[in-house]
Amino acid sequence: QKEVEQNSGPLSVPEGAIASLNCTYSDRVSQSFFWYRQYSGKSPELIMSIYSNGDKEDGRFTAQLNKASQYVSLLIRDSQPSDSATYLCAVNFGNEKLTFGTGTRLTIIP
Amino acid sequence: DAGVIQSPRHEVTEMGQEVTLRCKLISGHNSLFWYRQTMMRGLELLIYFNNNVPIDDSGMPEDRFSAKMPNASFSTLKIQPSEPRDSAVYFCASNNDPNSPLHFGNGTRLTVT
Repeated sequence: QKEVEQNSGPLSVPEGAIASLNCTYSDRVSQSFFWYRQYSGKSPELIMSIYSNGDKEDGRFTAQLNKASQYVSLLIRDSQPSDSATYLCAVNFGNEKLTFGTGTRLTIIP
Repeated sequence: DAGVIQSPRHEVTEMGQEVTLRCKLISGHNSLFWYRQTMMRGLELLIYFNNNVPIDDSGMPEDRFSAKMPNASFSTLKIQPSEPRDSAVYFCASNNDPNSPLHFGNGTRLTVT
């Protein structure tokens, strides 16, 4: 069974601080990794995709991938109240479909 | 680009009734995925299609659920008969490459009483 694990939270972070979200997955042959943000009552929207080891930065967001340790993380710098949402980690295990973690609920405290 | 379009946005029905959810893919996308989201189980893949062909329906809960893709741009998910435990948000998503991200529709919130 291919699995994606996330801490469900809630994770509370003061405004302006760095929020760190982590995700582990069960299969070393995984090829592509995604972070989605989901506001309450809305659909998931893509924030970042990452395909190779290392860091990928996009504005205030940085995705980090370590295939040897089977984890992927998302850092949010200068956290804003609008970043409060559930963050979903998704992994393609090489079989054309995305498997999602259950999500981490993030709250940014003004 | 109008994005993935789902209808209806909300559906309230009584146990035993038939429910049909609809999805229109993004033009040019050739893979379609139906997910169900609940608080307890998160996002679960029900079934996905590639080039109109069902590839993996192992996530379909039971025979009460069926999905079709009659053409390259449209799909339906049918539940017959519906049960209260089917209450959830159902998302449709599409992409054009196995390694590319999924684009989600706005979802259908189903309530079965």
